This record gives sequence, structure tokens and C-alpha cells, in this order.
Amino acid sequence: AQKVTQAQTEISVVEKEDVTLDCVYETRDTTYYLFWYKQPPSGELVFLIRRNSFDEQNEISGRYSWNFQKSTSSFNFTITASQVVDSAVYFCALSEDRGSTLGRLYFGRGTQLTVWP
Amino acid sequence: ETGVTQSPTHLIKTRGQQVTLRCSSQSGHNTVSWYQQALGQGPQFIFQYYREEENGRGNFPPRFSGLQFPNYSSELNVNALELDDSALYLCASRPKLAGGFPDTQYFGPGTRLTVL
Repeated sequence: AQKVTQAQTEISVVEKEDVTLDCVYETRDTTYYLFWYKQPPSGELVFLIRRNSFDEQNEISGRYSWNFQKSTSSFNFTITASQVVDSAVYFCALSEDRGSTLGRLYFGRGTQLTVWP
Repeated sequence: ETGVTQSPTHLIKTRGQQVTLRCSSQSGHNTVSWYQQALGQGPQFIFQYYREEENGRGNFPPRFSGLQFPNYSSELNVNALELDDSALYLCASRPKLAGGFPDTQYFGPGTRLTVL
């Protein structure tokens, strides 16, 4: 069965603090894809990153970095020097490489991040 | 800007009514998916359309149906609305590349449906 767990429901930090959002996933597939999306109050899901299961390199994009660890089935997201504009709900999602629903996304419940000035 | 648009933005219906939500995808994005996001939850997959045919469905009853058109637009229809259908409905589109390798899905802004 496919499952994505985001254990942190809400996180509050003060501007310029670093914050890590946790994501743990379950899948029986050997090939799969992991995503992070940001959902600001407007509601639109904004794509942040995609990771393939066969590529365990960590990635950094500006203040954002992602740590993919297959051994622990985790795909954590760190924001360095957080800003008020980072306040949003962040979703981790899993997509499997199989069957008719190829590309279907399984989402976690999301983590509400609030960054205070 | 994802190039995916949805209409209407908000909608209020009463229980038992029918509703049609619309989505317009990017040109060349021949796969469209619909998701339901209840308050405080992650989006849940409803179904997916590829080249105007449904090719995958989540755990939703038949009163949820859809259409995809050749001009990259699509519809989600919900019959016999129930109170629990109140949610944000998100449309996502992506190209289906050769070999079926799934590309990233890009989401529209959603339609917020309230059922009274």
C-alpha cells in the first residue's frame, strides 16, 4: 500500500530560523517519485521539487534543500533562513510507476508552516 | 503561473443538486487528473483522463464523473451532492511522455465547493 506521513501538523518559527519538514513514505514499488508542493492561502498547489527513487542525490535550490534517504523512506525538506512569505501548507506526495493510474499522487496531510516576523 | 485554470472559483450548492466544475490545461498536456481536498486534509485522487478517456479512478462513487475534450479542457461532474462533498477541487495536468514516464503534475487554483 502507498502511504505518505507528515507527522508535523503545524510548525511555527520566527523569521530567519531554519526549519525542516518531515516526510516518510511507504511503497512496494522499486521505482517511484517523490514531490513537495506548497499551498499558500490562495489554494493553488505550487510544485517545488520532484525526486526519482533511483536518484538519491540531495538537492539545494536557494534557501530550499531536500534530503532523500531511501534507507529510512524519508524525503525531508529544509528551509534555511525562513521568511514570512514561506508561510503556507506544505505537502509531500508519492507517485508510483505502474498501472493505469500512472502518475497518481498520494499526498500526506500537510504541514502548516507559519513564519513570524 | 502553471497555465492551468479552473472555473468557477467558488460555488455554493444545496444537497441533492448537481454541479459541473471546469478546468483548462496547458496545450500539449494530454493527461488531466482531479483531486478533492477536504479542509485540513491532503488532496485525494478522484480520477484521471488521458486522450479523452478515463484511465484511473480513486475511491469515489460513480456520481463523480468527468469529461476531457480535445482542446485540453475538462469537466468534473458531481450528481446528488452531499454535505461531505464540500471541499476544494483541484485539477492537475501533465504531458504523458513516450514510454509512459510520468511527468510532474501542475495544479490549477481550485474550485471551492460548499454544499448546504
